[in-house]
Amino acid sequence: LAKTTQPISMDSYEGQEVNITCSHNNIATNDYITWYQQFPSQGPRFIIQGYKTKVTNEVASLFIPADRKSSTLSLPRVSLSDTAVYYCLVKTSYDKVIFGPGTSLSVIP
Amino acid sequence: SAVISQKPSRDICQRGTSLTIQCQVDSQVTMMFWYRQQPGQSLTLIATANQGSEATYESGFVIDKFPISRPNLTFSTLTVSNMSPEDSSIYLCSVEDQGAVRAGNEQFFGPGTRLTVL
Repeated sequence: LAKTTQPISMDSYEGQEVNITCSHNNIATNDYITWYQQFPSQGPRFIIQGYKTKVTNEVASLFIPADRKSSTLSLPRVSLSDTAVYYCLVKTSYDKVIFGPGTSLSVIP
Repeated sequence: SAVISQKPSRDICQRGTSLTIQCQVDSQVTMMFWYRQQPGQSLTLIATANQGSEATYESGFVIDKFPISRPNLTFSTLTVSNMSPEDSSIYLCSVEDQGAVRAGNEQFFGPGTRLTVL
């Protein structure tokens, strides 16, 4: 299982774009990059997943360079409700999910 | 997407007793996982529970302390045995959605069971 490294915490003002970068230097060919979001007192929730290049959905965008050794989760125009912990994971199908410490994002009014 | 419920949602228990946490899924799934999340910490995988086979425990977790049942494809239980205050934590059930079109497959998480041991 590839290990990931991401910042422990970030602060942002409301309305700004937030970019959280994750390093995964030993990512395997079959690994996908997945991001989860966890609010206090709730289980983690899937945000976005990608293999290479760029993926966008209604919540976020995920940028993955050609070497796939890192990825960047982009949250456009954050609001107070985006305050949460964001986890970057790499795994293959049917592989167990191992969580790192995640990035605690605080959105400031 | 899979919808997961857990019972109880929270409990306060005495040292030395045991608590069984139930996890119910609204669809049939092969892979189920149990996690522990201590206050302010990330999630730690306890074990993987596949229907029809013995649970596989991660390093630091043993069957005698955390026995798991997986009687069918929609249900599992985790028992926290002979509890001590160090077992105070949130316990989460998770399933992998084999029906997802995403090749990496998505895991869904239950709401968690908040356990306090006095």
